[in-house]
Order: sequence, then structure tokens, then C-alpha cells
Amino acid sequence: NAGVTQTPKFQVLKTGQSMTLQCAQDMNHNSMYWYRQDPGMGLRLIYYSASEGTTDKGEVPNGYNVSRLNKREFSLRLESAAPSQTSVYFCASGPLTGSFSEQYFGPGTRLTVT
Amino acid sequence: AQKVTQAQTEISVVEKEDVTLDCVYETRDTTYYLFWYKQPPSGELVFLIRRNSFDEQNEISGRYSWNFQKSTSSFNFTITASQVVDSAVYFCALIDGNNRLAFGKGNQVVVIP
Repeated sequence: NAGVTQTPKFQVLKTGQSMTLQCAQDMNHNSMYWYRQDPGMGLRLIYYSASEGTTDKGEVPNGYNVSRLNKREFSLRLESAAPSQTSVYFCASGPLTGSFSEQYFGPGTRLTVT
Repeated sequence: AQKVTQAQTEISVVEKEDVTLDCVYETRDTTYYLFWYKQPPSGELVFLIRRNSFDEQNEISGRYSWNFQKSTSSFNFTITASQVVDSAVYFCALIDGNNRLAFGKGNQVVVIP
């Protein structure tokens, strides 16, 4: 039982390049989330998916797109990376929306945009 | 909008001292849940506790304890007899009906041997 997995663990991009961060969970959770963590800022929600087939914006969605590929997988895409997107990205999953349950986090992806 | 404030950014203590982390929240919801997560130097986020708005009883788990007071919108966390392994960043968070977490900025705890 791997929980929440993320790939890659580290990535360096040049400004303007694109990439997709992958996330998968094996806990049969309905909800999945993408957060970014910047120094001194805590974690901020980028996008979330309450269930398969739905996605919604969070607090800081600009510059990102997401795809809920199936119940297990939720990807985050940077179409044209900018230095302001240098951050640590965490994927999380949780049970049903409205359950107020804890979320389970992946190990994170450290992204640097030069 | 939901908001969580953790005022102290970095707290240093000598091993075996107690340390208390303050968390103040804002919400218009009558039903809400609060969380504490730990982020050790390795970077992963570890769930510590979940508390709902209807339960104001204090909770103790080993050396950890939590004091929830609705009257002051606070959910404070105390580590008793701190150890070096407690060195980490601790986040307080508030969840809404869509299960979206709003995090505070975190408290960096440094336990000096």
C-alpha cells in the first residue's frame, strides 16, 4: 500500500518550458488536491478534484491546469513555466467531499524554474 | 473565507522544555474541523490530529496535547518534554465543506540538545 505517490521528485525547468507532475493514490479516495509550498507561506491550494470527472480552482490556480485521469490519478500541468512557479508541490487525497476527513499527502516534487 | 494564523515563525527550545504553538482561525461555518500536521526535515507531511467544532475537550496523545477554545477561536498545540525528533515545521489547518484545507504559515520548532 503506497498511499500517495508523486513523480518526479525533483525537476529543473527553464522559463517557458512545460511539464506535467503526476500523482496517484491507492486508497480508493474520491477527492484529490494539488498544493504548493513556498518558504514562509504554508501550503496553498492550486486545484482540487472532488470526484472523478470534476475539477475546481483553489486559491492560486493561475498558470496551471489539471486532469483527473481516473479515480486514482490527478496530474498538474505547467504549460509555460515561470520562475514564480519555483516551489515544492504536494499532491493529497481524501475521502468524500463533505466528510471533513484528513488528507494524505505525497512526498512532494521540488521544482526549480530558472 | 477561511483563515488560519500562526504568529510565531520559529521557536527554539532546549531539549526537555515544553513548547506551545498558537493557532487562531477564522471561519463563518458553524461546522468545521481543525487539523495539525507535522513536516519533519525530510519534507513529508504527517497528520497529527483532527478536531471538530463541537468537541472542545482537550486531547492528549503521549507528549502531545491540544487545547481547543471556540470562544477565542484558538486550537493550540503543546509538546511536553521536547525531544530532538520534535524538530519540524508544524502546520495548523482548517477544512471547509469541500474538504479544502486552509493552512497557517507554520511554526518552525528547533529543539536544541
